[in-house]
Amino acid sequence: DSGVTQTPKHLITATGQRVTLRCSPRSGDLSVYWYQQSLDQGLQFLIHYYNGEERAKGNILERFSAQQFPDLHSELNLSSLELGDSALYFCASSPQGQGKHTQYFGPGTRLTVL
Amino acid sequence: GENVEQHPSTLSVQEGDSAVIKCTYSDSASNYFPWYKQELGKRPQLIIDIRSNVGEKKDQRIAVTLNKTAKHFSLHITETQPEDSAVYFCAAKPNFGNEKLTFGTGTRLTIIP
Repeated sequence: DSGVTQTPKHLITATGQRVTLRCSPRSGDLSVYWYQQSLDQGLQFLIHYYNGEERAKGNILERFSAQQFPDLHSELNLSSLELGDSALYFCASSPQGQGKHTQYFGPGTRLTVL
Repeated sequence: GENVEQHPSTLSVQEGDSAVIKCTYSDSASNYFPWYKQELGKRPQLIIDIRSNVGEKKDQRIAVTLNKTAKHFSLHITETQPEDSAVYFCAAKPNFGNEKLTFGTGTRLTIIP
């Protein structure tokens, strides 16, 4: 167990819908990263938040948005869902200081768009 | 930006033999190189990492080597066991700013009993 939690575990929805994925980082970690992993694919970086501020963006679609709240949990919002958005979505957190580059992954949310 | 290439994409080895996975990176500013293991449907788990001030690091049956001049690093697993079967990802990251962790495309390792 990495200490990073994600809810829900599974999400099944229809095309055109909107969903919210939630992530709670490890205690004390200020950074949260979101990744998308499609079937048998690698990890595609979406976005990085640090202490409530957006720090870096990857290949994140305009239909997707994220935020990090004062209690440091983060939400990834996916709207106008398409079949191709079906994937595993992981968040990861990293500590400050010496180990700041190490990312600890949550269990993921499996999104299925029908 | 950083580009990480990983080879091979699939690897099968007999139980007890060694497995080697290789990665190359493009950005000379990268100096943090982790390796993650991902079992089917599970989260990626950090198994070992290395920083550029070190050429090799070992942890029991796992070792990572780094050649900064050639910009490549490798994962070595010795005395492989069935539970080593998984997908392995390498990654690279510069030690400054908000640069992201760039992942390789993964290697599916299968240990044959």
